[in-house]
Amino acid sequence: DTAVSQTPKYLVTQMGNDKSIKCEQNLGHDTMYWYKQDSKKFLKIMFSYNNKELIINETVPNRFSPKSPDKAHLNLHINSLELGDSAVYFCASSPAASSYNEQFFGPGTRLTVL
Amino acid sequence: AQSVTQLDSQVPVFEEAPVELRCNYSSSVSVYLFWYVQYPNQGLQLLLKYLSGSTLVKGINGFEAEFNKSQTSFHLRKPSVHISDTAEYFCAVGASYGKLTFGQGTILTVHP
Repeated sequence: DTAVSQTPKYLVTQMGNDKSIKCEQNLGHDTMYWYKQDSKKFLKIMFSYNNKELIINETVPNRFSPKSPDKAHLNLHINSLELGDSAVYFCASSPAASSYNEQFFGPGTRLTVL
Repeated sequence: AQSVTQLDSQVPVFEEAPVELRCNYSSSVSVYLFWYVQYPNQGLQLLLKYLSGSTLVKGINGFEAEFNKSQTSFHLRKPSVHISDTAEYFCAVGASYGKLTFGQGTILTVHP
């Protein structure tokens, strides 16, 4: 069974479109995260939710909006896509929102904006 | 604020040779350190972590790391690498609310 799953795996779209990426974890964790990995493989946290509440909101354009319908799901909606949004987006989860917990990562969603 | 510097962007090595991937960190609070591995086209997987106690930490796949507080380092080592260890390795420091700050990554390439 996949612990952290993301859909879609690949997403190719035009500039200006709106798209969503979905994430689900079946580990029973309370905390979920979105990370962006750019073309140089640099990983940076974007958002984190703990029990459906936003707890980390890094400096991310407000075109990006996370939504957590329940603690097993964290979706990422992106409005008015730009070329610079092209990246691999990783979802992750951890048992709690603490600095010492291991995070479990999904397989990533490769977003290409043309 | 936390930051992580991985000193080598690429490390080529021959199979069965030892390897060390270097990581330096800065943190103003308690230090929790991690090494993650990313195989091609996959997500990240935890190799090992340092929370407290013994400064030598053993992880999966024969990897180990040593926490050195005075040098603010957390270098990753393996005495004998395999072709299957070819991957990108990320050092990270944990902060409040589970925020992970990652280094730039080190690509380990193991040659036959």
